[in-house]
Formats: sequence, C-alpha cells, structure tokens
Amino acid sequence: GAGVSQTPSNKVTEKGKYVELRCDPISGHTALYWYRQSLGQGPEFLIYFQGTGAADDSGLPNDRFFAVRPEGSVSTLKIQRTERGDSAVYLCASSLAGGHGEQYFGPGTRLTVT
Amino acid sequence: AQKVTQAQTEISVVEKEDVTLDCVYETRDTTYYLFWYKQPPSGELVFLIRRNSFDEQNEISGRYSWNFQKSTSSFNFTITASQVVDSAVYFCALSEARGGNDMRFGAGTRLTVKP
Repeated sequence: GAGVSQTPSNKVTEKGKYVELRCDPISGHTALYWYRQSLGQGPEFLIYFQGTGAADDSGLPNDRFFAVRPEGSVSTLKIQRTERGDSAVYLCASSLAGGHGEQYFGPGTRLTVT
Repeated sequence: AQKVTQAQTEISVVEKEDVTLDCVYETRDTTYYLFWYKQPPSGELVFLIRRNSFDEQNEISGRYSWNFQKSTSSFNFTITASQVVDSAVYFCALSEARGGNDMRFGAGTRLTVKP
C-alpha cells in the first residue's frame, strides 16, 4: 500500500512569507504527527493529531506555527511570517492508533527560508 | 524530562564487520517505549523496532539484534556482518507513557560501511 506522502518535497520562500506543507498519511491511520529535523539532528516533535483534533501541540515552537487536519486524514502545517531559523526538513508520520505505537514517516519537505 | 543520548556521532566499518550502536536514555517514568529508526541517504525514516519497558528480552531479526538493559538505561543495536546497504543514520528514540505522545529522538549515529 501507499506510504505517507508529503508535498512539496522542497520549498524555498523568502523571510516573512507564509507557507503550507501538506501530509497525506497511510490510509486508515488515525494518528498523525509532525516533526522538524534540522541538519545533523534527530527529529523534533511538533504536534500530534488523533482523528481531527490536535491532541498534543506542545512541540510547536511559537504561535507562527499552526496545523490542521479537518477531515481526519490529510494534514497541513502552516507557518506564518517565516524566519531563516525555520529552515529545516519537516517530517510527517502516521500511526495506526496513536498512543506509543510505531510511526511511519514520509519523505519530508525541505523548507529553505532565504 | 526524557532524554536520549547517542554518544557515537559517526562510525565507519568495513563490510562484514560487526558494529554496535549505543543508546542511553533517561526517564522518570516506569512505563516507556524505545525505538530504533534508520534514515538512509534518501532521507525517509524507516522503523526498525519498538520495545516497551517491561520487556527486557533481547531481540534478533536477521543480522540485527537489540540489547535492552534497564539497569544501565541502554538500548543498544548491533548489526552483524555489516553490508554497504546498512550505511545510514540510525536514531534511537524514547516515548514515555505519561509524557504525551511525542517521541524524543537522539542526535543519531552515522554509520558508513565501506566495501
């Protein structure tokens, strides 16, 4: 079956602009996660959805970051007023039922803020 | 707070050598979960194993084996008879039962297997 997909694969934007990153989880997976990975580091948790609701958004660094999952499937991570420090690979993962089960990751979106 | 330490930043071995990747974790929770992921040059993280804190049995899957020792808070990963395709960055991660739904990853170990 299809894995987690993310679009775009690469995004270059200017400082101050707004960006949206999309994640399409594995079909049937109710849990969805967003992570951010900076060069040479492990992924850093941002937000977790169980169904349509954000069950845990404790990892979002500030209020410029927001994510939605309106129908419990596709999710969009939104970043307002981007800063150069936001440059990273944004990873999406899904899990069959959430909790602490194994997560399956997408290929990521490489965001570069110039 | 939970924390994962992978002290080995980079390891280089020659094909067919055995190699062990170290992972040490910190947690105050009695129930937690440990994971290993592989990130090949293509970039996509690949799940390898999940282990809960109540199961200390070592596990073997083909050339891969994992040694979980609660006494030393370690969850080490050994690749036997390494192959060039094993070259990747390997991440250890921890998730606490009471700590929310995030996985805390270590900084990763870059393994290079030379032919």
